[in-house]
Amino acid sequence: SQQGEEDPQALSIQEGENATMNCSYKTSINNLQWYRQNSGRGLVHLILIRSNEREKHSGRLRVTLDTSKKSSSLLITASRAADTASYFCATAGYTDKLIFGTGTRLQVFP
Amino acid sequence: DVKVTQSSRYLVKRTGEKVFLECVQDMDHENMFWYRQDPGLGLRLIYFSYDVKMKEKGDIPEGYSVSREKKERFSLILESASTNQTSMYLCASSRTWDSHTDTQYFGPGTRLTVL
Repeated sequence: SQQGEEDPQALSIQEGENATMNCSYKTSINNLQWYRQNSGRGLVHLILIRSNEREKHSGRLRVTLDTSKKSSSLLITASRAADTASYFCATAGYTDKLIFGTGTRLQVFP
Repeated sequence: DVKVTQSSRYLVKRTGEKVFLECVQDMDHENMFWYRQDPGLGLRLIYFSYDVKMKEKGDIPEGYSVSREKKERFSLILESASTNQTSMYLCASSRTWDSHTDTQYFGPGTRLTVL
């Protein structure tokens, strides 16, 4: 059962621009996590935001969570070519599984 | 740093063959997971394990089995490979049984092609 859905499916920007990706989900969550996947590789955890938090920062990453709208956004500021990857949100409910969305493909052009 | 390794990056097998995918983590994590990733479908959980010799079905367990004889190793078995099992297989681990609070650490993936 799909929980998180990312929007847009694909995003192309120039280096130095900001990239914003959104995630919507359907049911109550304990936390929401964002992961990055470089082409053909495994996923790497970026940031976790708990249901009682509204915003979290990590370096050039900023994540917001709006539980009333059941949505989250990931902002990458001052993007670099190395940020080119797919980005996934994953929701953690009150069971023992993470549920991943289908991802946003980000292309950053030099 | 947590390291999760998978036995092969690329694997080509024939229909009907028995296939073993191995995953090893080096951080004494309790939980281990097997996902498959297909375009447009995201990651789907096949099986997971929260302790040695324990296993739980995920969302798409049909056609797969798993084995966890040691804490650090989690194997995915395709008893009789079929072409619709051609996919990217990702192994992951997380620290504790209370996994909804934990991040998952992923291996590099195995791209399996079944001919």
